[in-house]
Amino acid sequence: GNSVTQMEGPVTLSEEAFLTINCTYTATGYPSLFWYVQYPGEGLQLLLKATKADDKGSNKGFEATYRKETTSFHLEKGSVQVSDSAVYFCALRGTGNTGKLIFGQGTTLQVKP
Amino acid sequence: GAGVSQSPSNKVTEKGKDVELRCDPISGHTALYWYRQSLGQGLEFLIYFQGNSAPDKSGLPSDRFSAERTGGSVSTLTIQRTQQEDSAVYLCASSLLGQAMNTEAFFGQGTRLTVV
Repeated sequence: GNSVTQMEGPVTLSEEAFLTINCTYTATGYPSLFWYVQYPGEGLQLLLKATKADDKGSNKGFEATYRKETTSFHLEKGSVQVSDSAVYFCALRGTGNTGKLIFGQGTTLQVKP
Repeated sequence: GAGVSQSPSNKVTEKGKDVELRCDPISGHTALYWYRQSLGQGLEFLIYFQGNSAPDKSGLPSDRFSAERTGGSVSTLTIQRTQQEDSAVYLCASSLLGQAMNTEAFFGQGTRLTVV
């Protein structure tokens, strides 16, 4: 079945450091891929998405590229801020199913000033 | 309201009691999802509604769990004879189209359930 695997956290960085959060997936066909973010005390919200191979999703300085050959969708940001501290979830929505999102375990990011 | 609304925001219940959790999706969204978020466990899919029908109930963990949706809008998740392992945050999400692969799902703030 479809699944998503994320790097375990927590990830602790200093402000302005480079961020990578790894995400790999298993799915048949060509799923759509998403990153959701959960800020402290808030609900999940969509950060970015990509719907086909080689697409790059981007938002708020974050980027992720849909890599079919490595079945990956790693999240990157060139210079993190304290306000980026949150839990990040990688997710996929596969073909031929009910449209449910399948999530990874989540990665907690802590950015220190 | 503009977003997905869930109630109550917090619920403490005694083991063995029944609980009902409510979700008000965004107006016009035909697809509705329930997820469970346990500490350190990520998000676990429970059930999916398209309109009032539930084509995918594969994530419901036991027959103590049930859900319904009426009028293509409000949904209720019911947990009977609650157990301590049911303690988690229950999240509801809605989207405009369930089967469109790139459609964004909007999440509510969740209901934190604690079974004591």
